[in-house]
Formats: sequence, C-alpha cells, structure tokens
Amino acid sequence: GENVEQHPSTLSVQEGDSAVIKCTYSDSASNYFPWYKQELGKRPQLIIDIRSNVGEKKDQRIAVTLNKTAKHFSLHITETQPEDSAVYFCACLTSGTYKYIFGTGTRLKVLA
Amino acid sequence: IAGITQAPTSQILAAGRRMTLRCTQDMRHNAMYWYRQDLGLGLRLIHYSNTAGTTGKGEVPDGYSVSRANTDDFPLTLASAVPSQTSVYFCASSDGHHSGANVLTFGAGSRLTVL
Repeated sequence: GENVEQHPSTLSVQEGDSAVIKCTYSDSASNYFPWYKQELGKRPQLIIDIRSNVGEKKDQRIAVTLNKTAKHFSLHITETQPEDSAVYFCACLTSGTYKYIFGTGTRLKVLA
Repeated sequence: IAGITQAPTSQILAAGRRMTLRCTQDMRHNAMYWYRQDLGLGLRLIHYSNTAGTTGKGEVPDGYSVSRANTDDFPLTLASAVPSQTSVYFCASSDGHHSGANVLTFGAGSRLTVL
C-alpha cells in the first residue's frame, strides 16, 4: 500500500539557522503534497503545499521542493525562530483517491 | 464559525465498552476522515468517506466503524474498546475534488483513554 517515510524524527537547530525535513513516498500516482505544523496540544495546521506539476514553492521563510523522479519532497525553513518549534508532518494524496497518507512526523526544536 | 466540531474533547473508558466519537462540519465538504495520532507513529488513517452514503477503510480500520448518513456528520464508533485504542483521534474534512483545493482541515481532537 501507500507509504510515506519522513526524516529526521527529531531536529534541533540554533535560532537563525535553517531546517530541512525530507519525505519519501511510494505511490507514483501521488499528486498533492501538503506540510502540516502541529504545536503542542493543538490540531495540525497546513503551512504549505505543492502539486505534482510544480518543482518548488516558497512562502516567506518556508519552501517546499518536489522531485517526482526520486519520489521525495522536502520542507525548508530559513531563519528559524523559537515559534517554529513544533511537530511537522508531510502527507501525500494519490490522484483519483481521497486518502491522505501522513509521514510519522519531525519534532523541530529551535534553540534560542 | 465555520469548521469541524469534535466531541467529546476527552474521555476515559473501561475496556469492553462501546464509544462513539462525534464529528460535525459546516463547510459542506464532500470528504471526511478519521485519524488516530500516537507518539512516534504520526497520523494514521482509520476510515474515510468520499461523500455522503459512502465510506472506505484506511490504514488501521480494525475495531472501528463509521457511517456517513449526511454531508455534515461522520461519527466513529468503537464497538468494544481495548487499551490499544488509547489515542488522540482527529476528524478532518476536505472539499474532496481531485484537482481542487484538497486542503485538509482538522478538528481539535478527542483524547480517548481505554483502561
């Protein structure tokens, strides 16, 4: 079945540094790749997404890149701030279905 | 305020008891979902529904059932709860169009403890 692997599971960076989280998916029919941020005790919230017809998308300090050939996509956060500390989840949606499959999450800690 | 409402927020339940987690959305989204979240395992899909009247199995459907009698409601039932079903349960919805917005919106979650 569909599978999404996410790495690393935990990541600590100094404030102002960049953070990169990577996900690999198995289903080549996947065509939509969102990233969610979940703060402690809160619900996941969409922060950025990308579709399969685009290679990169940027929104201020966050960006997502997609490599369809290698079937992986990455979240990039630049100039990290303490409020970026949270758990980040990648997900895939396969074309023709309504099933979103999530990665196992990355706990990001930004050290002041 | 438009969104998804889940109830209860938190519940402690004895093993063997039946439990229904409620989920209601007012966004007229076609698709609805139930996920469970466990430490280190992320969000795992239990069941989903493409539209009212239809449901489908996700990654971990055993021990759970759902129904979708109308667009707004998508209850999740544990027929006979077991301790391994202790988790945080999130209901979610999307507009469900393959080439559309696809954005998944989550409820606030229901924390269930089975003793």
